[in-house]
Amino acid sequence: SQTIHQWPATLVQPVGSPLSLECTVEGTSNPNLYWYRQAAGRGLQLLFYSVGIGQISSEVPQNLSASRPQDRQFILSSKKLLLSDSGFYLCAWSIRARAEAFFGQGTRLTVV
Amino acid sequence: AQSVTQPDIHITVSEGASLELRCNYSYGATPYLFWYVQSPGQGLQLLLKYFSGDTLVQGIKGFEAEFKRSQSSFNLRKPSVHWSDAAEYFCAVNPLTGTASKLTFGTGTRLQVTL
Repeated sequence: SQTIHQWPATLVQPVGSPLSLECTVEGTSNPNLYWYRQAAGRGLQLLFYSVGIGQISSEVPQNLSASRPQDRQFILSSKKLLLSDSGFYLCAWSIRARAEAFFGQGTRLTVV
Repeated sequence: AQSVTQPDIHITVSEGASLELRCNYSYGATPYLFWYVQSPGQGLQLLLKYFSGDTLVQGIKGFEAEFKRSQSSFNLRKPSVHWSDAAEYFCAVNPLTGTASKLTFGTGTRLQVTL
């Protein structure tokens, strides 16, 4: 069966510091990968998605970037965090030609 | 503009009572439709999905949803709520554009269950 791992679960970072969140998927090949952000009291917003290694699409302009160095690895990064980057970050995957997405357990990022 | 609306921010029901959570979407064509549930501090779990065919779909944990094309709605229902159903529920749509499953979510409905 497929599983998705996301870490760390919780992170507190100072303003201006770098960020790296990692997500890996097991049990499937060539998944579509996604990063969503959930701000307090709001729904989920798609930040990035990837349909293959090295292929990244950004949905919203922001202070973050994403990379996919391996087929089942997806990384969310920032060179300098802003207070507004605080939120709950969720990684997800889906199988091409199918539509449901499966989510990781999320990372709670607090920028102080 | 394409959108997903969950008009109820917060709903409280008694354990054993029935539940209906509303979801309306605004898209040019019928998208794929989903309901997800999120417990505090956790990721999202897929409850059910609608792609095509029978407009009443069954999901996990005793939930069902009915797609009504004329009303652009996909409401979630459960005949008898359990205390463990307390969580936040999200309706989502996939507009079926491109090769990725880019989901658009509603803002969620928080369900509280009283004993």
